[in-house]
Amino acid sequence: QSVLTQPPSVSAAPGQKVTISCSGSSSNIGNNYVSWYQQLPGTAPKLLIYENNKRPSGIPDRFSGSKSGTSATLGITGLQTGDEADYYCGTWDSSLSVGVFGGGTKLTVL
Amino acid sequence: EVQLVESGGGLVQPGGSLRLSCAASGFTFSSYSMNWVRQAPGKGLEWVSYISSSGSTIYYADSVKGRFTISRDNAKNSLYLQMNSLRDEDTAVYYCARVIVGATKSSWYLDLWGRGTLVTVSS
Repeated sequence: QSVLTQPPSVSAAPGQKVTISCSGSSSNIGNNYVSWYQQLPGTAPKLLIYENNKRPSGIPDRFSGSKSGTSATLGITGLQTGDEADYYCGTWDSSLSVGVFGGGTKLTVL
Repeated sequence: EVQLVESGGGLVQPGGSLRLSCAASGFTFSSYSMNWVRQAPGKGLEWVSYISSSGSTIYYADSVKGRFTISRDNAKNSLYLQMNSLRDEDTAVYYCARVIVGATKSSWYLDLWGRGTLVTVSS
């Protein structure tokens, strides 16, 4: 059981928009910034979003992040087949003093 | 080139030990905190351990506390994970990751990852 809760899978057609949710508690998402990671098949995870809504250099603005209370959301617009991957949210849990991740969401672009 | 390269994985029997290494290059290793993250076959990411830039602050996941030891050698630009009393459930790809962390850890994110090294615990 992951500390952060994500839907196991989402799907949408090419060109469409999809959102992935990440739910936590006051000790993690509620009081800390959220980051998002993309893991393409057979590769290492890559930072996609940090501090809730900031994109590292090289990440297209099709990817966006937001946070409200104890939940966070990753949005992807203009879906491409190359976006098919597993997506993970992560943050620090201040009560447990541990890093925590969501269970991951598999994105399928139909 | 900025990169992290893990090594030391392999097949080990339950109860055995293994030492993972992570070689950093292309950035000032001593200025960054580091983490180990693992991923069991077909499963999600699991945070394992954190070490501050100086090595003075260390945290572990409950699942490895008392069995794993994280350390670093800033002179050698290297991060280590000593794994003892290994169990079947420790089988995973182990990733070394650079962490950007604020003073209170309200901001914590992994901005650079290695390719990982596979650890298989089996008799």
